[in-house]
Amino acid sequence: KAGVTQTPRYLIKTRGQQVTLSCSPISGHRSVSWYQQTPGQGLQFLFEYFSETQRNKGNFPGRFSGRQFSNSRSEMNVSTLELGDSALYLCASSPTSGRALYNEQFFGPGTRLTVL
Amino acid sequence: AQSVTQPDIHITVSEGASLELRCNYSYGATPYLFWYVQSPGQGLQLLLKYFSGDTLVQGIKGFEAEFKRSQSSFNLRKPSVHWSDAAEYFCAVGGNYGGATNKLIFGTGTLLAVQP
Repeated sequence: KAGVTQTPRYLIKTRGQQVTLSCSPISGHRSVSWYQQTPGQGLQFLFEYFSETQRNKGNFPGRFSGRQFSNSRSEMNVSTLELGDSALYLCASSPTSGRALYNEQFFGPGTRLTVL
Repeated sequence: AQSVTQPDIHITVSEGASLELRCNYSYGATPYLFWYVQSPGQGLQLLLKYFSGDTLVQGIKGFEAEFKRSQSSFNLRKPSVHWSDAAEYFCAVGGNYGGATNKLIFGTGTLLAVQP
């Protein structure tokens, strides 16, 4: 099976712009999570989608949003970019059954976002 | 609140020497525990996981970890380090945070350098 793919791999934006990142999960995986990785804050959970519904959200401002499509592909959007949004954004998919059991996550290579 | 502590920010070992990376967690119930490795510019690769059962778990690349409930620890070990093991290592905890979710909480990471 192909792994988790993220596009684009690198992105440069300026403050005030908005950006959309895309994630294609492993085939058959229905859960997609997003994480932000920065040198100062480390790896932080953004949100998780399952069957097109957001079922968990981290402590990020409303400028960060996401969605999931019927084919389980997911996008995240950051509006009004700030310098502090520069980070590696990682997507992870999971073969969750939807029950309240934990399932391991498989990570993509990430999108490196630089805000100037 | 759930948390993960990796007390060693940076460790240097000689090639062929043994390795132990420390991880302590805080979680009210039985946690799901993970070790991930990240090479520069890459995503996260799962080394091993603990869900239940035998407290000594074997992973890929010759790594193992031991879950010690009494110490709230999940330390990663390798008997003989190879130069290719140089990378950053993350301990993470997952669980049922009030509902079905695959959310992970990560430690701050330990950067491993390997001397020839």
